Amino acid sequence: AQKVTQAQTEISVVEKEDVTLDCVYETRDTTYYLFWYKQPPSGELVFLIRRNSFDEQNEISGRYSWNFQKSTSSFNFTITASQVVDSAVYFCALSEGGNNRLAFGKGNQVVVIP
Amino acid sequence: GAVVSQHPSRVICKSGTSVKIECRSLDFQATTMFWYRQFPKQSLMLMATSNEGSKATYEQGVEKDKFLINHASLTLSTLTVTSAHPEDSSFYICSASKRRGTEAFFGQGTRLTVV
Repeated sequence: AQKVTQAQTEISVVEKEDVTLDCVYETRDTTYYLFWYKQPPSGELVFLIRRNSFDEQNEISGRYSWNFQKSTSSFNFTITASQVVDSAVYFCALSEGGNNRLAFGKGNQVVVIP
Repeated sequence: GAVVSQHPSRVICKSGTSVKIECRSLDFQATTMFWYRQFPKQSLMLMATSNEGSKATYEQGVEKDKFLINHASLTLSTLTVTSAHPEDSSFYICSASKRRGTEAFFGQGTRLTVV
C-alpha cells in the first residue's frame, strides 16, 4: 500500500517569509514517482514538479525548491519569499511503478498574509 | 503543457436524477484516465481508473453501479453519477497522463450539488 503524509494542515506566513511543506511517503516499490501539485481556490490542480525514485537531485525553480531524501522517505517543498499569489492548497502525491494512479497527501493550506 | 478539459464545471441536480461529466484530453491520446473525488477541505481520493475499450477499475468502496465510467475513445472518458443523492455532492476531477510515470494533467473539476 502507498501512503503520503503531510502533517501540517494550515500554515500562515507573512509575505516575503519562507515556508516549507513537509511530505513523507511510504511505498514498497523500488520504482515510484513523487509529485507536488498546487490547488488554488478555483479548484484546478496545477502541476509543479515530478521526481522519480532514482533521481535524488534537488531542484530549484524560481522561488520554489524541492528536497528529495530517500533515506528519510521525504520530499519537502519550500517557497522562498512567499507572495500572496502563493496562497493555495499544496498536495504531495505518489504513484508506484509508473501506473499513474496517484495517492495524495491531505494537503497543506498555505495562507500568505500581505 | 498538455490540456485536459472537463465539463461541466458546475452542476446542480435533483435527487434521483443522473449527471454525466465529461473528461477530454485535447492534445494527446490517453488510454487511461483517472477519476478523483474531493470533499470540502479534504484530499483527493481516487475513485476509479478509466480504461479505453474496456471496463473501468474501481477502488475499494466505490460503487460501480453508482458511478458509471465509459472510456469510448482515446480522448474521452465520462463519469455518470446515477440516482444522485445529496451525499454525492462533491468536487469530481479527472486526470490523464501522456505516458506511464509522467505527470498527470487534471481537468478543471466539476462541482456537483445534489438538492
